[in-house]
Amino acid sequence: QVELHESGPGLVKASETLSLSCTVSGGSLSNIFWSWIRQPPGKGLEWIAYAHSSGSTKYSPSLSSRTTISLDTSKNQVSLKLYSVTAADTAVYYCARENTNLWAFDAWGQGTMITVSS
Amino acid sequence: EIVLTQSPATLSLSPGERATLSCRASQSVSTYLAWYQQKLGQPPRLLIYGASNRAAGIPARFSGSGSGTDFTLTISSLQPEDFAVYYCQQRGTYPPWTFGQGTNVEVK
Repeated sequence: QVELHESGPGLVKASETLSLSCTVSGGSLSNIFWSWIRQPPGKGLEWIAYAHSSGSTKYSPSLSSRTTISLDTSKNQVSLKLYSVTAADTAVYYCARENTNLWAFDAWGQGTMITVSS
Repeated sequence: EIVLTQSPATLSLSPGERATLSCRASQSVSTYLAWYQQKLGQPPRLLIYGASNRAAGIPARFSGSGSGTDFTLTISSLQPEDFAVYYCQQRGTYPPWTFGQGTNVEVK
């Protein structure tokens, strides 16, 4: 059974770069779409980006100019960088697996809370 | 970008009652529509994929229907553990993948 575990700094200063990683255990990164999704406190879910082992990446248009997603198959990790953060980026950030048989997110990490301070 | 509109925002029901949640898409997503349940402090859990298919381990009281732009999640008889927030999500032809704003199913 695959497990996802996100890690991040917890607190980041405005205008700096947020770096997150997601370690996948119990499964390979291959042939899967891996996404980052975030949820501001008390609000709904927002898809940020996906990466596929083929090298394909896609981004939400609202965040594409300051986001980079990548896969490290040697470490079984999915990474996200969000540049020039503001208070609006304060959220729980989730890593999720998109099952290509279901075309839905069938595995999620517990999430990591990120607070942007001014 | 495809916008998903869920209604109602809040549904107040008693255990044993039937819950009907709606999700409307701003353009057709065929049947590339999923439903998730989220409890406080937990990640979302996949309930329904392909508009009408229950995910592994999901009880039969959960069912989904619809295609194109109109979708419904039905919980036939609410159990105490079903009180939560429910989100729909579309996986159309092109990103971004989007979520509805959620329906909070609360105890009446």
